[in-house]
Amino acid sequence: NAGVTQTPKFQVLKTGQSMTLQCAQDMNHNSMYWYRQDPGMGLRLIYYSASEGTTDKGEVPNGYNVSRLNKREFSLRLESAAPSQTSVYFCASSEAVPSTTRRETQYFGPGTRLLVL
Amino acid sequence: KNEVEQSPQNLTAQEGEFITINCSYSVGISALHWLQQHPGGGIVSLFMLSSGKKKHGRLIATINIQEKHSSLHITASHPRDSAVYICAPRGGGAQKLVFGQGTRLTINP
Repeated sequence: NAGVTQTPKFQVLKTGQSMTLQCAQDMNHNSMYWYRQDPGMGLRLIYYSASEGTTDKGEVPNGYNVSRLNKREFSLRLESAAPSQTSVYFCASSEAVPSTTRRETQYFGPGTRLLVL
Repeated sequence: KNEVEQSPQNLTAQEGEFITINCSYSVGISALHWLQQHPGGGIVSLFMLSSGKKKHGRLIATINIQEKHSSLHITASHPRDSAVYICAPRGGGAQKLVFGQGTRLTINP
């Protein structure tokens, strides 16, 4: 299994450009997450998808949109990139089933480094 | 005040030393994760625990739910243990995690 994969690994954008970060997992997990990591801020949840067909806002959703295309894939879109969105973006997944209280480990992708000029 | 506080923020030790990283949190939680982030950026989940203690090789994690405190211990530390260790309590539904800022550990040979 490849686990959680993310593309691209690196990206440089100009202010106002748009792009989509791709994430896929091959573990048949129900839940997927997008985080950003900034120095001194730790990891912060942008959006999550508890199951196929559902998405919810996390802590810092402004400026982003997401799509849970199918059970495997969860994409993050920046419609009009801003320098404040320069960060490292991590996708994660877990087996969690929202209707239960079963506790599950999250598996992280390798990250995407984004620089917005 | 941050919901999750880790200490120390930076720790440098010599190979072989016993390492302790602490995590205090203010949110009510159902479980707590310890994550390891290597210099290359990859994040690995080390432990998920909701009570007591877990051990995996040279790593030991403990949690006291009443005191809202968890510790990560590394015995016989090695330079390859050098990484950022992140505490992430989970509160609320949908498996959402709250992350500490991390402890940067450097083990010198």
